[in-house]
Amino acid sequence: GAGVSQSPRYKVAKRGQDVALRCDPISGHVSLFWYQQALGQGPEFLTYFQNEAQLDKSGLPSDRFFAERPEGSVSTLKIQRTQQEDSAVYLCASSLDLSGGGTDTQYFGPGTRLTVL
Amino acid sequence: QKEVEQDPGPLSVPEGAIVSLNCTYSNSAFQYFMWYRQYSRKGPELLMYTYSSGNKEDGRFTAQVDKSSKYISLFIRDSQPSDSATYLCAMSGRSNYKLTFGKGTLLTVNP
Repeated sequence: GAGVSQSPRYKVAKRGQDVALRCDPISGHVSLFWYQQALGQGPEFLTYFQNEAQLDKSGLPSDRFFAERPEGSVSTLKIQRTQQEDSAVYLCASSLDLSGGGTDTQYFGPGTRLTVL
Repeated sequence: QKEVEQDPGPLSVPEGAIVSLNCTYSNSAFQYFMWYRQYSRKGPELLMYTYSSGNKEDGRFTAQVDKSSKYISLFIRDSQPSDSATYLCAMSGRSNYKLTFGKGTLLTVNP
């Protein structure tokens, strides 16, 4: 079946521009995550949604970063007034969200590579 | 000091070699331990998952967790060129949703 898809795959922005990155999770997956992966680094957690509720946004680096998932499926990560340090790959992941503390595999999309000039 | 430390390599081995990858961590609250494989320009894909201490084997892959030493390993037997990728260790605590990743180790298996 279809996996997690992200668009655009590549985005070049001039410093100060706003960007919007889209994530389409696997159908039926309740949980959705955003991670930021800088060059040569592992992914770092940004935020977590359960359905449309944003339950954890502790990893968002500044108030320029904003994420939403209004209908509990597609999510958008918005970055306002982009800076050069925002250049990274932004990964989206989704999971089925099994209750009761069991393992819950996160399936990752291919990422959006953002370059801020 | 980062919560999860992983030698970034690069690691280059001949085909058929046994590969050993490892991570150390400092947060004793971590209970779930994972290894992800990431090919160039792709997202990470889950290879192995282990809860708490112990070993787990899946085909050519074996994951080991030693919570007393805060040390996890991934062994790849009979390595193949198709195993060439970046291997990321990841961990989470009781919440089981927020993954903390290592830097990743770039592995090249030469035919």
